[in-house]
Amino acid sequence: DQQVKQNSPSLSVQEGRISILNCDYTNSMFDYFLWYKKYPAEGPTFLISISSIKDKNEDGRFTVFLNKSAKHLSLHIVPSQPGDSAVYFCAASVGYGGSQGNLIFGKGTKLSVKP
Amino acid sequence: KAGVTQTPRYLIKTRGQQVTLSCSPISGHRSVSWYQQTPGQGLQFLFEYFSETQRNKGNFPGRFSGRQFSNSRSEMNVSTLELGDSALYLCASSLGWGSSGNTIYFGEGSWLTVV
Repeated sequence: DQQVKQNSPSLSVQEGRISILNCDYTNSMFDYFLWYKKYPAEGPTFLISISSIKDKNEDGRFTVFLNKSAKHLSLHIVPSQPGDSAVYFCAASVGYGGSQGNLIFGKGTKLSVKP
Repeated sequence: KAGVTQTPRYLIKTRGQQVTLSCSPISGHRSVSWYQQTPGQGLQFLFEYFSETQRNKGNFPGRFSGRQFSNSRSEMNVSTLELGDSALYLCASSLGWGSSGNTIYFGEGSWLTVV
C-alpha cells in the first residue's frame, strides 16, 4: 500500500509555461512534506518543503501547496525552463521536530520541459 | 562544504556474494539514512542511524544491515545477494535528531548490479 502517490509518471510542458506536479498521501499523521529533484545518475536534490501548519510555501520559481483536507500537495514551477527537466519526487514524514531520515517517497514524475 | 560521499559508485557482484557500501555524511551531520531505488519500487527507506544507533528500519529482510561509526560515517551490508538487489543505493545525511524540519541531503549513490 503506497502511502505517497504520484499518479502521473510523466509530464511534458512548454518552456515558459507553468508545470504542476501532483502528489497524494493517505497517512494523516504525515506532517512534513518535501519535493526532491533527481537527474539521471545523481542523487536526489532537495527542492522545497512545507510543514502541515502551512498551506503554501514559495521559493523563487517553485511553490508548494498543501491541502490537508484532501491529503494533496502540488508543486508549481513558473516559468518552466529546460533545465527543470528531471524526475521529481514527493516525500513525506511523521515528526517535523524529530527524525527526518525516514521519508516515504512517491514513485516520481518525470518532467520534460520543451524549448 | 563537501557533500555526502558514497563509495564505490559502481560495482558488479555475483549472486550469493555479499557487498559493503560506504557513506561519509556532510561535515557536522550526525544522522545517516539509507535508501534503495529501483525502477519498479521507487525510493524505499532502508534504515537510519544516529549516534551509532539504528533509530528506524524499513521493511527489508535481515540480509540488509548497517552500522554507524563514531565519526558519523556509515556502512551498509547486503549478504547473500539476489538478482533483485540490483539497485541504486542512496545515502543521505542530516543534522540529526530533534532539529525542526531539518532536511536530508543525498549522495550520488552506489550502483549495484547483481549477476
